[in-house]
Amino acid sequence: QSVLTQPPSASGTPGYRVTISCSGSSSNIGSNPVNWYQQLPGTAPKLLIYSSNQRPSGVPDRFSGSQSGTSASLAISGLQSEDEADYYCAAWDDSLSGWVFGGGTKLTVL
Amino acid sequence: EVQLSESGGGLVQPGGSLRLSCAASGFTFSNYAMSWVRQAPGKGLEWVSALRGGGGVINYADSVKGRFAISRDNSKNTLYLQMNTLRAEDTAVYYCAKVSVWSQRSFDYWGQGTLVTVSS
Repeated sequence: QSVLTQPPSASGTPGYRVTISCSGSSSNIGSNPVNWYQQLPGTAPKLLIYSSNQRPSGVPDRFSGSQSGTSASLAISGLQSEDEADYYCAAWDDSLSGWVFGGGTKLTVL
Repeated sequence: EVQLSESGGGLVQPGGSLRLSCAASGFTFSNYAMSWVRQAPGKGLEWVSALRGGGGVINYADSVKGRFAISRDNSKNTLYLQMNTLRAEDTAVYYCAKVSVWSQRSFDYWGQGTLVTVSS
């Protein structure tokens, strides 16, 4: 059971928009920035979004993040086949004094 | 270019020990906190432990507290994870990750991972 809650799966059609939610509590998302990671099949995770809505250099602007209260979401617009991957949200937890992850969302591009 | 390369994984019997290493390059190693994150086969990511740039331990996940020890050698740009009293549930790919500036607390670079299998 992960501390942060994500839907286990999501899907979308090429060119369309999909969103992935991440729910936490006051000790994590409610008081710290959320980060999102993309894990392509058979590879290491890669930082996708940091500080709730910032993209590292090289990440397309099709990817965007938002955060409000104890929830966050990742949006992917203009969906492409290469976006098929597992997506994880994560945040620092003040009560645990460590990082917590969501269980991951497997994105399928139909 | 930032590079992280883990080594030391392998097959170990329950109750055994293993020491993982993570060689870092492309950044000033001593200026950044470093972390270990693991992923059991077919499962999600789990944070294991983290260490400040100067060597102070940030914390351990409850699942490994008292059994694992994180350390670093800044002269060698290397992060370590000493794993003792290993259990079957410790079987996972172990990634080392660089922590970005503390205000962001994101893992901005990851290694390729090393597989640890605990089995008799």
